[in-house]
Amino acid sequence: DSGVTQTPKHLITATGQRVTLRCSPRSGDLSVYWYQQSLDQGLQFLIHYYNGEERAKGNILERFSAQQFPDLHSELNLSSLELGDSALYFCASSVVGGRLDTEAFFGQGTRLTVV
Amino acid sequence: DAKTTQPTSMDCAEGRAANLPCNHSTISGNEYVYWYRQIHSQGPQYIIHGLKNNETNEMASLIITEDRKSSTLILPHATLRDTAVYYCIVRLWNSGNTPLVFGKGTRLSVIA
Repeated sequence: DSGVTQTPKHLITATGQRVTLRCSPRSGDLSVYWYQQSLDQGLQFLIHYYNGEERAKGNILERFSAQQFPDLHSELNLSSLELGDSALYFCASSVVGGRLDTEAFFGQGTRLTVV
Repeated sequence: DAKTTQPTSMDCAEGRAANLPCNHSTISGNEYVYWYRQIHSQGPQYIIHGLKNNETNEMASLIITEDRKSSTLILPHATLRDTAVYYCIVRLWNSGNTPLVFGKGTRLSVIA
């Protein structure tokens, strides 16, 4: 158990819909990263938040957005869903700032299926 | 883009040491080498990281060449549960804004 919790574990939805994926980082971790893993693309970095602020963006579509709340949990919002958005979505957390960067710990992912 | 090159796949007999190579010829002086693994669609799991000295923990050993252009992850006694995709990643030290960039990794199959 990495200490990172993602909900829901599985999600099936129709094209055009909107979903929200939730991530609770390890206690005390300030950084949250989101990744997408589809069969043909491997693990792709989407976005990074640190203590509520966006720090880095990767290959995140405009239809996707994220935020990190004061309690440090994060949500990834996916809208106007397409079949190609079907993938595993992982959240990772780490402690950053004021100390050496540490390794990132990953949750077990949310499997999104768009039908 | 990933800055590392790894073999696509490897096999290892159960109980033997698994040696997974990684080339990172463009690594800079302030970049660490990280290793993660992913067991069948689970979340990636941190294994070990190092800068220039060899490192060992309860999971594995990391051997980095003197010129730092390549490294080897060693699982001393591989078990069936070590079957996974292993990712070698280079990343800036103390880099709060730099995410882990995953390549395609090496698919290790441990065979009974």
